[in-house]
Amino acid sequence: NAGVTQTPKFQVLKTGQSMTLQCAQDMNHEYMSWYRQDPGMGLRLIHYSVGAGITDQGEVPNGYNVSRSTTEDFPLRLLSAAPSQTSVYFCASSYHPQPTLNYGYTFGSGTRLTVV
Amino acid sequence: SQKIEQNSEALNIQEGKTATLTCNYTNYSPAYLQWYRQDPGRGPVFLLLIRENEKEKRKERLKVTFDTTLKQSLFHITASQPADSATYLCAPENNAGNMLTFGGGTRLMVKP
Repeated sequence: NAGVTQTPKFQVLKTGQSMTLQCAQDMNHEYMSWYRQDPGMGLRLIHYSVGAGITDQGEVPNGYNVSRSTTEDFPLRLLSAAPSQTSVYFCASSYHPQPTLNYGYTFGSGTRLTVV
Repeated sequence: SQKIEQNSEALNIQEGKTATLTCNYTNYSPAYLQWYRQDPGRGPVFLLLIRENEKEKRKERLKVTFDTTLKQSLFHITASQPADSATYLCAPENNAGNMLTFGGGTRLMVKP
């Protein structure tokens, strides 16, 4: 099992450019989510999905779009990159948002994005 | 608003001692709380989950307590080792039950 795979690992964008951060999981997890991590701010939820075809906003959704056409994939789109979106982005998945078993989230290794 | 507080200052301890990390939360009542470990340049890794009706949970050298009256969780690592050096994040479930909210983490440094 590969777990949660994020691509690319590093990216530099110019202000105003758009791009898609890819996230794929091979564990048949229903729940997927995107977080950004900034120094002193902790992990903040951007968007999440409880299953294919269902997405919802998290704490900091502005400037980002998501879609969930398959169980495996959950791409994050930056519509018009801004320097404030410079961050490390993590994708996470789990069997269920409210675990009935002792499973937590499985995180990817992250995408480090710099917007200049 | 919901707030999670973890000590932002690094915790330095000697190898073999017990490390205790604190997580305080305000303005909500999570049904469960999770703890994660994060190493530099890596994603968080799940360690333990504790539910509101569980006072304590153990896994090998790890122990987590959950006091819903004090709105606090304590994370203990006994017989600490230099390999335990990392940042530890607490994550209480939010009120809607469909997402985790993470604290800023506490960096633990275990010196040989």
